[in-house]
Amino acid sequence: AQSVAQPEDQVNVAEGNPLTVKCTYSVSGNPYLFWYVQYPNRGLQFLLKYITGDNLVKGSYGFEAEFNKSQTSFHLKKPSALVSDSALYFCAVRDMNNNAGNMLTFGGGTRLMVKP
Amino acid sequence: DSGVTQTPKHLITATGQRVTLRCSPRSGDLSVYWYQQSLDQGLQFLIHYYNGEERAKGNILERFSAQQFPDLHSELNLSSLELGDSALYFCASSGRDSGNTIYFGEGSWLTVV
Repeated sequence: AQSVAQPEDQVNVAEGNPLTVKCTYSVSGNPYLFWYVQYPNRGLQFLLKYITGDNLVKGSYGFEAEFNKSQTSFHLKKPSALVSDSALYFCAVRDMNNNAGNMLTFGGGTRLMVKP
Repeated sequence: DSGVTQTPKHLITATGQRVTLRCSPRSGDLSVYWYQQSLDQGLQFLIHYYNGEERAKGNILERFSAQQFPDLHSELNLSSLELGDSALYFCASSGRDSGNTIYFGEGSWLTVV
C-alpha cells in the first residue's frame, strides 16, 4: 500500500520569505512523487514531479521540491513567497512498481497562507 | 487549462436521485481516473479506466459506477444519492506523452439536498 502524509494543515508565511510545505511518503517500491495546487473553486493544477534523476526538481511558478530517499520526503519549497501563492497544496505518490493501476495517492493537503 | 473537460460544473439534486458526470480526457490520453474530494475524507481515488477497460478500483461505492467509451470519454454514474455524497468529483487523464503526469479537470460540484 502507498500513503502520503502532510503533517501541517496550514503554513503561514510572510510575503517575500521562503516557504516550505512538508510531505513524507510510503511505498513498497520506487516512488513517483507529485505536487499539485488547488486555488479556491478550481481544479488541481500540476506543479512538479519527481520520477528519477536529480533530487531537486523545479516546477511551475518558481516552486521546487527536493526528493530525499533516506527520509522518504518530498518537501515543496519556494525562495520567496507571493500572496498569490496562497492556496491548498497536495502531495501525491504513485508506486512505479504497482501493476494494479496508475492511481495517485494524495496527502490530506496543506493550506498555504501568504500574508503581505 | 489542463485539457480535461468535465460537465456539469455544478449540480444540485435530491436524495435518492441519480446523476451522471461526464469527462473528456486530454486529446490522445487513454487513461481516465475519477476522484472524489470531500471535506472529511480528502481526495479519494475512485476508479481508473484504460482504453475502455477498468484497470483499478479504489473506494468506490456500489451505488457508483463508471465507464469509458470508444471515443475515450468517461461517465461516472451516481445513484441512490445520499447527503454524504455531496462532494467535488474530479476526472483526470494521462497518456503516453504526459510523462507519468496525471492532469485534472476543474471538477463537478455535486450537492445532494
